[in-house]
Amino acid sequence: SAVISQKPSRDICQRGTSLTIQCQVDSQVTMMFWYRQQPGQSLTLIATANQGSEATYESGFVIDKFPISRPNLTFSTLTVSNMSPEDSSIYLCSVAGYANYGYTFGSGTRLTVV
Amino acid sequence: DAKTTQPTSMDCAEGRAANLPCNHSTISGNEYVYWYRQIHSQGPQYIIHGLKNNETNEMASLIITEDRKSSTLILPHATLRDTAVYYCIVRPYSGGSNYKLTFGKGTLLTVNP
Repeated sequence: SAVISQKPSRDICQRGTSLTIQCQVDSQVTMMFWYRQQPGQSLTLIATANQGSEATYESGFVIDKFPISRPNLTFSTLTVSNMSPEDSSIYLCSVAGYANYGYTFGSGTRLTVV
Repeated sequence: DAKTTQPTSMDCAEGRAANLPCNHSTISGNEYVYWYRQIHSQGPQYIIHGLKNNETNEMASLIITEDRKSSTLILPHATLRDTAVYYCIVRPYSGGSNYKLTFGKGTLLTVNP
């Protein structure tokens, strides 16, 4: 299965600022997925990122707030813009496994906005 | 996607089998059952998946009923490190690598000494 390196692992940010989260995969993948996990909650998909095209956002998430880049088949970034305390969550990236086997997840970025 | 229903929480004694149920009564013929778990402060981890036959790997066994409306994940000898939230997810197999996963609330399994 793919190995994902996600950075940073955690950060504390001031409200009104932005944070960019990086996700590096050790193999080429078509799609990368970004999730948010609010405190005590399950994972919610933010968007799906395909190399060479704009990301597809789920209901309730918009590009201005969560811009995503996908410059090549092994890398993606998610930016959390103009942060507020409500953005305090764990953000995770994910890629699909080979032949529909399990998806692999990064270790997550724990974001606290103060 | 078919919805899944899981108990909110379960307890299990260390060394005993943990049996985690999942109801997916609206599952379609082309949908697989996947199980993931999330240990505290980590990303979810793939455990096993199946279509209609029982499956076993080094981590667990998956038992799917004949009508495919429910399944059970079995951890044969639970350890303290198996304490985690377990997610049962149904998704079409044909979606390939482009298909997103939709997570429910899962079951918090607590393995007690």
